This record gives sequence, C-alpha cells and structure tokens, in this order.
Amino acid sequence: AQKITQTQPGMFVQEKEAVTLDCTYDTSDPSYGLFWYKQPSSGEMIFLIYQGSYDQQNATEGRYSLNFQKARKSANLVISASQLGDSAMYFCAMRKTSGSARQLTFGSGTQLTVLP
Amino acid sequence: GAGVSQSPRYKVAKRGQDVALRCDPISGHVSLFWYQQALGQGPEFLTYFQNEAQLDKSGLPSDRFFAERPEGSVSTLKIQRTQQEDSAVYLCASSLNDGLANYGYTFGSGTRLTVV
Repeated sequence: AQKITQTQPGMFVQEKEAVTLDCTYDTSDPSYGLFWYKQPSSGEMIFLIYQGSYDQQNATEGRYSLNFQKARKSANLVISASQLGDSAMYFCAMRKTSGSARQLTFGSGTQLTVLP
Repeated sequence: GAGVSQSPRYKVAKRGQDVALRCDPISGHVSLFWYQQALGQGPEFLTYFQNEAQLDKSGLPSDRFFAERPEGSVSTLKIQRTQQEDSAVYLCASSLNDGLANYGYTFGSGTRLTVV
C-alpha cells in the first residue's frame, strides 16, 4: 500500500520569500510518480509538478521545484518568490507507474498563507 | 468543453434520499476518476473508468455507491440511501490517455454534498 504524509497542517510565508512544503511517502513499488496539487478555495485541484521515481534530476516548473530525496522517501515542494495568489491548500500525491492501478494517493495537505 | 465540469455544484440531501452527481470530462479523455474529499482531508479514490469500462471500484465505501459511464464520456456517481457520513466534496478527474501520463489529471471543481 502507498502512503503520503504531510506533517505541516499550516504554513505562513512572507510575500516574495521562498517556502518549502514537506512530503514523505511510503511504498514498496519500485516505480512510482510523485505529484503536487494546489487547491484554492474554489475547490478545483490544480496540477503543479511531477517527479518520476527514476528521474535523475529534480523537477522544476517555473517558480515550483521538487526536492526529491529518494533514499529518504521525501518529495518536498519549494515555491520561490511567493505571491499572494499562492495562498491555498497544497497536496502531495503518488501513483504507481506499473501495473493496473491508476489512482492517486493523496496526503492530508498543507494550508499555505502568503502574508503581504 | 475546456475543463472538467461537475454538477450540481452543491447538493443538500435528506438522510435516506438518493442522489446523482454528474461529471462531464474533457472531450476525448479516456480515463475518468471519482474521488471523495472529507472536510480538511485529502481526496480519497473511489473508482476509475477507462472509456466505458469500470476498471477499478475498490474505493467505493459501500454498495450504496454506484458509478457508471455508459458511453465513455459523461459519468454519474449515484449514492443510494444517503447517510450523514456521505457528506463530502466529490471530485471528478479525467486524463487524455490511460492514466499514466506525467502531467497529472484535470480535476473538476467538485460537488459538495451535505446530508442532513
């Protein structure tokens, strides 16, 4: 079974500063993918970034980067130059990349508040 | 359409009432997922379709929950004899291919179900 742990229920960051959201995972599968989603108050889950378990380099997408440490089973999200619009709930998720299972397993989320 | 559309946006049901939640995925998307998100929690997988075939329904919490996608496009999640513990946001997501893409799934804004 797969499990995602997000230990920070809430985080605050000053506008224009960087923030790291923690995510650890547990799986016995050798091949998997890790995702981060943003959920604003409107409710829609917005895909941010993906990291494959065999990817050699950490993923980056604009202001988002994923600090992937495979041996520690961690996949922290780094948001640089925070903006007020970044205030939202952030979810870490994982999925097998082999076999028939296609669903994402989500963590409990971190509520990020960006302060002006 | 441009995104995944879910209706109704909000639903209040009396305990024991049957409800039907609709999901219109992005046109041409092969994979469709239903998730249940309790207040303050991450989404939990309910069921997965590839075209009209329901390939995984392991997350459905009881036989009161039923999902269908008869023509491989629109999907309906039906909950019979609703109970208070069914109160949650029900999210639908779709993916262009078989669900193994590294760009994540496109989620709808969800249906918030409140059972009173």
